[in-house]
Amino acid sequence: TQLLKQSPQFLSIQEGENLTVYCNSSSVFSSLQWYRQEPGEGPVLLVTVVTGGEVKKLKRLTFQFGDARKDSSLHITAAQPGDTGLYLCAGAPAGTALIFGKGTTLSVSS
Amino acid sequence: KAGVTQTPRYLIKTRGQQVTLSCSPISGHRSVSWYQQTPGQGLQFLFEYFSETQRNKGNFPGRFSGRQFSNSRSEMNVSTLELGDSALYLCASSALENTGELFFGEGSRLTVL
Repeated sequence: TQLLKQSPQFLSIQEGENLTVYCNSSSVFSSLQWYRQEPGEGPVLLVTVVTGGEVKKLKRLTFQFGDARKDSSLHITAAQPGDTGLYLCAGAPAGTALIFGKGTTLSVSS
Repeated sequence: KAGVTQTPRYLIKTRGQQVTLSCSPISGHRSVSWYQQTPGQGLQFLFEYFSETQRNKGNFPGRFSGRQFSNSRSEMNVSTLELGDSALYLCASSALENTGELFFGEGSRLTVL
């Protein structure tokens, strides 16, 4: 059973398009994190969302934490080839280690 | 400051052999976690160490083991390798236990033939 479900699994778009990826769970998390992983490298933390309903912006990336703290979304405006990578959401169920969703592989072509 | 360092970066083993992977965390970080990444399963948690004590363990067979030294460096060992153990093994360090904010190394790519 996958605790964090990400969708879509794959996304291929043209430069300049907008996109949203989702991270859903039936469990409540005290916080959720988003990482990006590029080929040949380890994941790198983008943001942590803590408060239900919270919205955080990182340049063209907007992250939202659901009101019930069971889900999160990542919206990218005007995607660029440099946004290409694997986007992972992660959360730590109480008392346990950080677990990851399977990720969304994003490909942005120019 | 230096990031998380994993060695070796690439290795090839045959079924039945064993392998030891090493991880040096960011200076000052006392928590080290290990993950297995495969195309089909994504990142799966192996174990977490804090101050030389295993704090959490994932759902992997006993062939997978690890330890942490007093300088926070960590090793993981896989014995009696199987073809399905082929994966990218990622180590991550954190300043505190269970903060969830991890800094990853580039990983050790293991191929089992």
